[in-house]
Amino acid sequence: GAVVSQHPSRVICKSGTSVKIECRSLDFQATTMFWYRQFPKQSLMLMATSNEGSKATYEQGVEKDKFLINHASLTLSTLTVTSAHPEDSSFYICSASEREFDEQYFGPGTRLTVT
Amino acid sequence: GQNIDQPTEMTATEGAIVQINCTYQTSGFNGLFWYQQHAGEAPTFLSYNVLDGLEEKGRFSSFLSRSKGYSYLLLKELQMKDSASYLCAVMDSNYQLIWGAGTKLIIKP
Repeated sequence: GAVVSQHPSRVICKSGTSVKIECRSLDFQATTMFWYRQFPKQSLMLMATSNEGSKATYEQGVEKDKFLINHASLTLSTLTVTSAHPEDSSFYICSASEREFDEQYFGPGTRLTVT
Repeated sequence: GQNIDQPTEMTATEGAIVQINCTYQTSGFNGLFWYQQHAGEAPTFLSYNVLDGLEEKGRFSSFLSRSKGYSYLLLKELQMKDSASYLCAVMDSNYQLIWGAGTKLIIKP
């Protein structure tokens, strides 16, 4: 099946620093990638949708200047959390689709802890 | 508003059968997904239903009734590794996934 990887799997950073999370589709070309955030005991919250070569579409309430998304190729999307704060600590999950409305394949997630 | 309802938690016995229900009210419908999620891991896709009826895939089956806004996930021959949260998600008319809060399934020996 289609495989999506994320790197790093876990990251701890200091408040005020920036962290970049990579999402890669390993065996297919992902026209669309999604970034989710999950808080404990809650369902996934979609943060943004990115299509290769174009600007990401952010969900309401998600600060685009804080969560920078770059989908520069058909196999890679990055999420950069800028000036991270403890409240940004969460589990960030990406997913990828071959075509915009196709089934999504989820990455394993990245646990971010901001101290 | 859009809403997905599923039970918060269910308990079942190893080797038995369990049915997890999901009801939804969404603006349009472009399919319903079931995902399995183990603690600390990303959800894993289980099934996708867009037409009424039952879809069987090994020990797991998923049923959909669009007129009733209802789906269920049926798990047979339960194994301890099936202990997880099961997420129901509906793709609405804008092709966005509306997620339920998940059902935590506890399997007892």
